[in-house]
Order: sequence, then structure tokens, then C-alpha cells
Amino acid sequence: AQSVTQLGSHVSVSEGALVLLRCNYSSSVPPYLFWYVQYPNQGLQLLLKYTSAATLVKGINGFEAEFKKSETSFHLTKPSAHMSDAAEYFCAVSDSSYKLIFGSGTRLLVRP
Amino acid sequence: GAVVSQHPSRVICKSGTSVKIECRSLDFQATTMFWYRQFPKQSLMLMATSNEGSKATYEQGVEKDKFLINHASLTLSTLTVTSAHPEDSSFYICSASPIPGTEAFFGQGTRLTVV
Repeated sequence: AQSVTQLGSHVSVSEGALVLLRCNYSSSVPPYLFWYVQYPNQGLQLLLKYTSAATLVKGINGFEAEFKKSETSFHLTKPSAHMSDAAEYFCAVSDSSYKLIFGSGTRLLVRP
Repeated sequence: GAVVSQHPSRVICKSGTSVKIECRSLDFQATTMFWYRQFPKQSLMLMATSNEGSKATYEQGVEKDKFLINHASLTLSTLTVTSAHPEDSSFYICSASPIPGTEAFFGQGTRLTVV
């Protein structure tokens, strides 16, 4: 069975600082991996996805993630945090039935 | 990107009544849609897979008679919470993909409050 683990339910950074949100996955087959962002009382918006092409994936709003098979990781990064980045972030893996399995989420707080 | 519209965005209902939530794919056809439930400050929990023209597939622990799903067309799936109780209060979100296995697009979510 596939699963996703997000380390850290809350991450706090200063505006302009590096953002690093961690995601580790478990999968018996080559996975499809995703990062989604959720603002309060809204649905989810896709930031980026890995689908077995380039291991470094660039997404929207300056975010990127690197797929590391040896570490079974897909951490999300952004060089410089903006106040508008404050939100809940979910890592997800897609299984063979195309269902998304979500991690527990990480709330990003950006301090002025 | 593709657009998935969910309606209503908020609903308050009395205990014992039923509530219907709609999920529409506006610019693509979706043979499969997914329904999730999200409790405050928690992740999304998959409730069921909605299949056009056939019965929905429910995840373990989800009562199919409580959460009725109908996927009557390639652009519409509905979730009906029957005989709602306060413990059914939650944020319900649907998703669909233009191509199965690729990017999922999410509706805006529905905040259900049962009083």
C-alpha cells in the first residue's frame, strides 16, 4: 500500500527565508507524486507534480521539489518565502487506481 | 487548467434532514470523481470513488447508505448526506481528472454544518 508522511505539522519561517516542507513516500511501484496548497475554506490547488520525468520539478509561485528515489523523498522548497505563501500544504501519492493518498499536511506560517 | 465546480460552498441544515452537494467538471468529462472529507486541521480522507453509470466504490468505514453518491453524467456527481447529524459536520471536497491518473482538480469544497 502506498502512504505519505509529512514531517512537521507546522513550519514557521521569516519572510524572505528558505521554505522547506518535507515529504516521504512509500510505494511498491514508481509513484506519481504531488504537492497541493490549500487556503482556508477552499479546495486544493496543484503546486507541482512528479510523473517520472525530470527529478527536479518546478511548480507555480516559485516552488520546486526534487524526487529522490534513494531517500523516498519529495521535499518542497522555495528560496524566499512571501507572506502570501502562508497556507496548508499537502503532499500526495497516486496509486494504481488513480486515487490520491494525502499526507497529514503542513501548515506554513510566514513571519513578517 | 481544468475547472471543477462544487455547490453549495456552505450549507447549514437541521439534524435529521438530508443535504445534496454537487460536483461538476465544467470543461471536461470525468468518468471518475472522488469525494473527500476533511475535519478541522486535518488531512483529506477519501470517502468514495464515484463512477459514471455505475455504483460508487466506498472506502472502508464509510457508510454507503449514509453518504449516497450518484454519478449520472460525465460532468456531474452528487453526494447526499442522508439524515444528517452534528457529527457529519465537516468540509467535503470533490476532485476529478481529465485523464485518469494525472493531475486532479478540486472543487472549492462545501462546509456542512448540522445543527
